Amino acid sequence: EPEVTQTPSHQVTQMGQEVILRCVPISNHLYFYWYRQILGQKVEFLVSFYNNEISEKSEIFDDQFSVERPDGSNFTLKIRSTKLEDSAMYFCASSLIQLGEKLFFGSGTQLSVL
Amino acid sequence: SQQGEEDPQALSIQEGENATMNCSYKTSINNLQWYRQNSGRGLVHLILIRSNEREKHSGRLRVTLDTSKKSSSLLITASRAADTASYFCATHGGGSGNTPLVFGKGTRLSVIA
Repeated sequence: EPEVTQTPSHQVTQMGQEVILRCVPISNHLYFYWYRQILGQKVEFLVSFYNNEISEKSEIFDDQFSVERPDGSNFTLKIRSTKLEDSAMYFCASSLIQLGEKLFFGSGTQLSVL
Repeated sequence: SQQGEEDPQALSIQEGENATMNCSYKTSINNLQWYRQNSGRGLVHLILIRSNEREKHSGRLRVTLDTSKKSSSLLITASRAADTASYFCATHGGGSGNTPLVFGKGTRLSVIA
């Protein structure tokens, strides 16, 4: 069964550094998402992406965050200047059709900001 | 917020017993979904129920939706140790359909062999 893949599985960075989290969504999917989960807490929506532009974003997704689909397969989340509170598991997801339908999640990238 | 809230936060049962988890939400929805998360892993979609449906089955899973009470329940019958995981409800808000899925805090289910 096709799956969403994320790299790296773990990322450790120093506060203030830039990080790029990478995702390869399922190939025929049209909608892409980033969610994050702080340890033991709820899964929070960050951003959705469709047709090469952001379709929705949450309050969490401020100016230090950006997303990009640099080619036909990769979908990236960049955090420009990481803060301690950015430490979380970041999940990429994709869906075949419109927002609100079944999401397929990757296994996540555990980001630790020191 | 349309965010779903699961109840209970944690549930521990013996293998073979049934597990029931509940979800409440605040605003109108297009659909409600349940996801499962094994420790440290991504979420896996279990079942989707639309606002005009009242009950849905998938294998050992049974989901009900009561839009008048803004609540849903997930029943896992004849539980197995492998069902041990966190279970999340997620709501898709009503209206234009452009709102993202919003997840609750989850129920941690432990099935003891």
